[in-house]
Amino acid sequence: GDSVTQMEGPVTLSEEAFLTINCTYTATGYPSLFWYVQYPGEGLQLLLKATKADDKGSNKGFEATYRKETTSFHLEKGSVQVSDSAVYFCALSDRTGNQFYFGTGTSLTVIP
Amino acid sequence: KAGVTQTPRYLIKTRGQQVTLSCSPISGHRSVSWYQQTPGQGLQFLFEYFSETQRNKGNFPGRFSGRQFSNSRSEMNVSTLELGDSALYLCASSTVDRRLDTQYFGPGTRLTVL
Repeated sequence: GDSVTQMEGPVTLSEEAFLTINCTYTATGYPSLFWYVQYPGEGLQLLLKATKADDKGSNKGFEATYRKETTSFHLEKGSVQVSDSAVYFCALSDRTGNQFYFGTGTSLTVIP
Repeated sequence: KAGVTQTPRYLIKTRGQQVTLSCSPISGHRSVSWYQQTPGQGLQFLFEYFSETQRNKGNFPGRFSGRQFSNSRSEMNVSTLELGDSALYLCASSTVDRRLDTQYFGPGTRLTVL
């Protein structure tokens, strides 16, 4: 079946460092891909999404490109801030929309 | 516009009891999905309701059920509670199609089963 695998955490970075959180997926056809973020004490929020191959989702300085050839949707940010400290979830909606899968989450801590 | 609200925020139950959780979606949203979040299993999809009908279902036992009302509000019921049902239950709403539309999540209901 469809699934999402994301890199294990926790990840600790210094402010202004470059961030990459890896996410790969297994799916039939063309799923939709998402990154959600969960700030401490808050619910999940959509960070960005891509619905077809080669689409690039971007928001708040974060980017991810839907790569069909490598079945990946890695999250990147050029310069992280302390306020980016949160748990990040990669997610997939299968091509029918019937099922929705989340990765295990990657905890990011940014230190000043 | 008000966000997704879930009630109650916290619940403590004992094994064998049943529980009902409530979710009010964003006004105008017709799709409501439920998820279970646990440290061991992460976030898992329970079911999705659209226009009062269960449209999709995850891989959970029949003890987990739900319904949606004509105003799109949704309830989730868990019968014969087990210790392993302790989790954060999240509700999310979207306009029509969660493949394409943004899902907005509520703060969750923290269920503890003793």
